[in-house]
Order: sequence, then C-alpha cells, then structure tokens
Amino acid sequence: GEDVEQSLFLSVREGDSSVINCTYTDSSSTYLYWYKQEPGAGLQLLTYIFSNMDMKQDQRLTVLLNKKDKHLSLRIADTQTGDSAIYFCAELYSSASKIIFGSGTRLSIRP
Amino acid sequence: DADVTQTPRNRITKTGKRIMLECSQTKGHDRMYWYRQDPGLGLRLIYYSFDVKDINKGEISDGYSVSRQAQAKFSLSLESAIPNQTALYFCATSDGETSYNEQFFGPGTRLTVL
Repeated sequence: GEDVEQSLFLSVREGDSSVINCTYTDSSSTYLYWYKQEPGAGLQLLTYIFSNMDMKQDQRLTVLLNKKDKHLSLRIADTQTGDSAIYFCAELYSSASKIIFGSGTRLSIRP
Repeated sequence: DADVTQTPRNRITKTGKRIMLECSQTKGHDRMYWYRQDPGLGLRLIYYSFDVKDINKGEISDGYSVSRQAQAKFSLSLESAIPNQTALYFCATSDGETSYNEQFFGPGTRLTVL
C-alpha cells in the first residue's frame, strides 16, 4: 500500500542541526521530496532527490536516502527561527504518477 | 500576483449545505489536484486531473465531486457537507513536463462545517 510515515514533532535549539526522518513504502519510487509549509501558507518544494542518489546537499540542507531501508532524512544545519514550519516527506508513487505525502513534522526552534 | 489562487479562503457552513471551493492558476499547467489537510494526517488526495477531459479519484473522494471547467480552473464541491469534512483544503498544480513533477500549492481554504 501507499504510506509515508514521519514523526509529528521536533524541537531543536537555535543554531543546532535538525534531522527529520521519514520512511516510505514504494520501493519503485523515482523521486522523494521534502516540502515546507510555513504558518498560514500552502506547501512549497524545499528539495528533492532522485532514487539513484544517496545524498543531495543544497546549502544548509542535506538529504540522505537509504533505499534498502526505504528511509529518507532531511538535515538542516545551523537551524534558524525562520526554519520553523511543518516539513512533509513525500514520494512519487510511480504506478499512478501521483505524490503521496506523509503526515508532516512540525519543527519548533528554542532560543 | 499569486500563481495558484483559491476562493474562498475561509468558509463556515452548516451540515447538509452544498459548498463549492474554487481554484484558479496562471501557471499554464495541465495537472491540477485537490487535497485536504487534517492535523496528524498530513495531506490526502481527493481528486486530480491531468487535463481538461481527465478526472481521477484520489484516496478520499467519497462525499466530494470536482469540475475541470478549463485548463486554469478546477473546482471542488461538497454536495452535502458534514462535520468531518471540516479541514484545510489545498489546490495544487504541476506541469507534468519535469521528471520530478513539482507541485505548486495555493494558499488553502479553511472550511468549517457546523
């Protein structure tokens, strides 16, 4: 079945690294994504990774993909107050060309 | 101007009423989607359309219907609203051209059914 799972909450101290984890079910997914939702807004694509990659880095963001364990993670270095948001893990469900979203992880930043 | 707009942004209605949520886009995308967001459940797909003549049910289509009036417009209807349809509703678009199929979201409509 189609399922993407992630923890609901994460709290980190400003300046520390945040790591948000996700597991997915479709082993044939070609793309996996992280979307960010800021308060009162829709989702925006933060980053994505193609399934033949293990890692992707983009400035403060590092995405790690473990296909064997169907595990995806997002690391945000030097977390800032502006990083407070809900982060959604998602996979491109290959059989229907649609994206399946996880429940979202709410990241809060402590001073 | 926003590329994906939704109207209304907020709506309070009563059980049994018919409600229409509208979505318009200026991105020129063929693909449009309706999702609902509930706390702890993330986004769930209600309906999607890959072009004007194509309508597909998502994972939770019961109690909803859609109309794709034009490439730029995709509306969601609740024929007889019930309280468990209280949620945040998002419209999204994608061009279907890029391999990674990025979706672009509207700002959402908060619907409350009393």
